[in-house]
Order: sequence, then structure tokens, then C-alpha cells
Amino acid sequence: DSGVTQTPKHLITATGQRVTLRCSPRSGDLSVYWYQQSLDQGLQFLIQYYNGEERAKGNILERFSAQQFPDLHSELNLSSLELGDSALYFCASSVVPAVAVSSNTGELFFGEGSRLTVL
Amino acid sequence: AQTVTQSQPEMSVQEAETVTLSCTYDTSESDYYLFWYKQPPSRQMILVIRQEAYKQQNATENRFSVNFQKAAKSFSLKISDSQLGDAAMYFCAYRSADRYNDMRFGAGTRLTVKP
Repeated sequence: DSGVTQTPKHLITATGQRVTLRCSPRSGDLSVYWYQQSLDQGLQFLIQYYNGEERAKGNILERFSAQQFPDLHSELNLSSLELGDSALYFCASSVVPAVAVSSNTGELFFGEGSRLTVL
Repeated sequence: AQTVTQSQPEMSVQEAETVTLSCTYDTSESDYYLFWYKQPPSRQMILVIRQEAYKQQNATENRFSVNFQKAAKSFSLKISDSQLGDAAMYFCAYRSADRYNDMRFGAGTRLTVKP
């Protein structure tokens, strides 16, 4: 158990719809990352938040948005869904490397993912 | 931008044998982390091994070891005494150590273990 919780685990919806994926990071981790993994492909970085603020953006579509709340949980919103949005969406959390923490290993801790199927 | 390349889409190994998965990366930074993650059919991302760039000694975790060549920007994973449970996708990943930075992944290598 990584300590990162993602809900829902599975989601089936129709094209044109909107869904929200939720992530709770490990206790003490301030940084949250979202990744998309399409079938049999690598992980594509979408967006990163640190302590409520957006820190980095990857290949995130304009139809997608995210936020991190004061309690540090994060939500990824996917709207106007298309068939190609079907994928496994991972959330990960970490201690920020720039912080001098002796226990910091640079590792990202991944949730189990939310599998989105768009029909 | 940092890129990670895994040139072997698929690899196969006989049970109890040794296999090496290749990874190269491109960066202008001097301080960073390198990782190998395993993704079994359950799709969970599991950390296999980690290497800090400032450490010259190659990391080892039981049957898993790496060959880290910083000048060549190469980071290969060796799996000894392969077991059926090692069958999975393996991803090489890079992460900068000096910024609020995300982790960049290679495309992955699918490892099959034959009994």
C-alpha cells in the first residue's frame, strides 16, 4: 500500500460527458502529480500541484483541469469526453526534492489508478 | 527537456536466468534520480530500484541491480534468477533533484518469463 488513495477505481461513461477523479496523497506529502496511461503505453505527465498551487504542466488537454484543495487532496476533471480519453489515470505524491529532507528519496508514490472507459 | 528512452519494447527470459533491460536518458542537469518501476498486470506502479546520480556505486535490491553509467547517460536494470512473478512492464524514469519537477518515463519494456 503506497498510501495514495484514488477514487473511483473504475468509471464507465459516454462521450461528451464530464467526470471527476479524486486523489488523496500520502500523509505529509505536499506535491501531487497526475499521469495518463493509454493502453499499452507509457505514462504521460499531465499536471503537478504543490501545496495548492499549480507547479508544472505537461501534455494536458484544455478539456482537462485539476486542482489541489487546502486539505491537499486533488481532483482531475475531464470534460467533453472522447473515446480517446479512455485510459488509466494515475495520481502520485511525493516530498518535494527541493526540500532538504533526509528521508527524501525522490520517489513518487503511486495510487492504484482510476480506469476510465468512454463509450 | 529530459527524455528517457527504452529501446527494447519486449524482452524474454527463461526462468532462473538473467536478463538486462536497457535505458538511456538525456539531461543537462548534474543532480537527479533514476528509477525502475514495475507494472504487473494489476497495473499498480511498483518501485523496483532507485539510484541517486551523485552516488557512483550501483544500487542493488536483492535480485535486482543497475549499471549506472553517468557519462554515457545509461541506466540498465539486471534481473538475476528470474522468476515467473517478474513478468511485467518495466519503466525507466528520470526525476530532477533540484526543482519542483515531475518524473519522466520511458515507453516501457514488456518482460516475459518462460517456465
